[in-house]
Amino acid sequence: QQPVQSPQAVILREGEDAVINCSSSKALYSVHWYRQKHGEAPVFLMILLKGGEQKGHEKISASFNEKKQQSSLYLTASQLSYSGTYFCGTEPTSGSARQLTFGSGTQLTVLP
Amino acid sequence: DAGVIQSPRHEVTEMGQEVTLRCKPISGHNSLFWYRQTMMRGLELLIYFNNNVPIDDSGMPEDRFSAKMPNASFSTLKIQPSEPRDSAVYFCASSEGVAEQFFGPGTRLTVL
Repeated sequence: QQPVQSPQAVILREGEDAVINCSSSKALYSVHWYRQKHGEAPVFLMILLKGGEQKGHEKISASFNEKKQQSSLYLTASQLSYSGTYFCGTEPTSGSARQLTFGSGTQLTVLP
Repeated sequence: DAGVIQSPRHEVTEMGQEVTLRCKPISGHNSLFWYRQTMMRGLELLIYFNNNVPIDDSGMPEDRFSAKMPNASFSTLKIQPSEPRDSAVYFCASSEGVAEQFFGPGTRLTVL
C-alpha cells in the first residue's frame, strides 16, 4: 500500500524552511527519501533504518518515528536548487525485503 | 563508474508492436529494480531481481510484460504487444545490499 505524503505541493521563498511528511499503514523497516527534478531520474537523499533516528545532509534532515510509522523531511534555509519533487519510499518489515513503495510525491518550488 | 545505463532513452512505437527496454546496472550491485512512472499512478515498482533472480514480480501489470536478467550486468523489460496505456517513463535502478538505489536516466516510451 502506497505511503501518504503531505503536503502535495509547497511554494517557498529562498531561505524559508519546509517540512514534508510521509505516513504508512504498515510497520516499516526503513524509509528512503529521493528528489526528482523535472525530466530527470530520482536521486537519493537519505535512508533511515532505525526508529526515532534523525539523519542530515547539509541543510536537509529527516526523522523516522517507527511507532507512528511516519517520517518527516526537513529542509532548512531552502535554496533554489532544492526545487523538485520529493518522494518517500517505504520498506515494510514483512514481505520482500528491499522492495520500496513510493508515495505520490511532494512538489517543492523555491522562488528567489 | 558510469552509473546505471538504460537504452533507448526514447522510444516511439505503434500499438501492437514489441518493445524491449535495456538496462546495465552499476558493477557490483546485486539488486536491480524496474519502475514505471506516470502522472496518474506515480512511481510503481514492476519487478525486483536479487543476484539475477526475480524475487517479486507482483507489480508487473499483465502477461504482456516480461523481464529477464541473464547475467549480473544486463536486464531487459519487454512489452508484447504494446498498448497506448503503456506510455510512461520506465526507470531501472540498482543497489548493493540495504542501501540507496541508483536510478538510470529512464526510457520515455510512447505507444501510438
